[in-house]
Amino acid sequence: DAKTTQPPSMDCAEGRAANLPCNHSTISGNEYVYWYRQIHSQGPQYIIHGLKNNETNEMASLIITEDRKSSTLILPHATLRDTAVYYCIVRVDTGANSKLTFGKGITLSVRP
Amino acid sequence: EAGVAQSPRYKIIEKRQSVAFWCNPISGHATLYWYQQILGQGPKLLIQFQNNGVVDDSQLPKDRFSAERLKGVDSTLKIQPAKLEDSAVYLCASSLQLQETQYFGPGTRLLVL
Repeated sequence: DAKTTQPPSMDCAEGRAANLPCNHSTISGNEYVYWYRQIHSQGPQYIIHGLKNNETNEMASLIITEDRKSSTLILPHATLRDTAVYYCIVRVDTGANSKLTFGKGITLSVRP
Repeated sequence: EAGVAQSPRYKIIEKRQSVAFWCNPISGHATLYWYQQILGQGPKLLIQFQNNGVVDDSQLPKDRFSAERLKGVDSTLKIQPAKLEDSAVYLCASSLQLQETQYFGPGTRLLVL
């Protein structure tokens, strides 16, 4: 089972920031939070990941709470092309194994 | 840098037929993954390779699904015989090593009639 919970959907206006929440209350100390997105009929696209600190790259920012039980993905200036399903995932590493368990994700709709 | 390549992109077969999918990972990536994504759901891991060895195939329905990565580079996933419920997108991903970021290919969309 996925270790994360996300709302099923949200929308935002084009040009505004999109803040996508994720809860992962059972996360362990060495488990990473990953975000992927999937645009219709394409494979999942890696966005960003983090462990404890906030992270930023050219696509997005990841804010992780101090207790690590939740995080927020921020798309600073959403465009219509950001309409997609966004998956928040806790990567579980056990010995020689490393697993991403996807949930249903959150569908982000960017409106003009 | 070229991404993960998959072929074919689409396949339509009748139930009880067999089908094979091919994946070429990002150059130099030692770890390769096959996922199944049923419509409306997130991808589900089927099998994971490290070089040419299987790391995890606990979710692979071994009575009909098989996968190999003989030379530790590209991989094939086979279904024999196919069932209606195998209709899905089959995604391949690769990572530099275990416990590294996974990058996905475009997927193969399978329809079983």
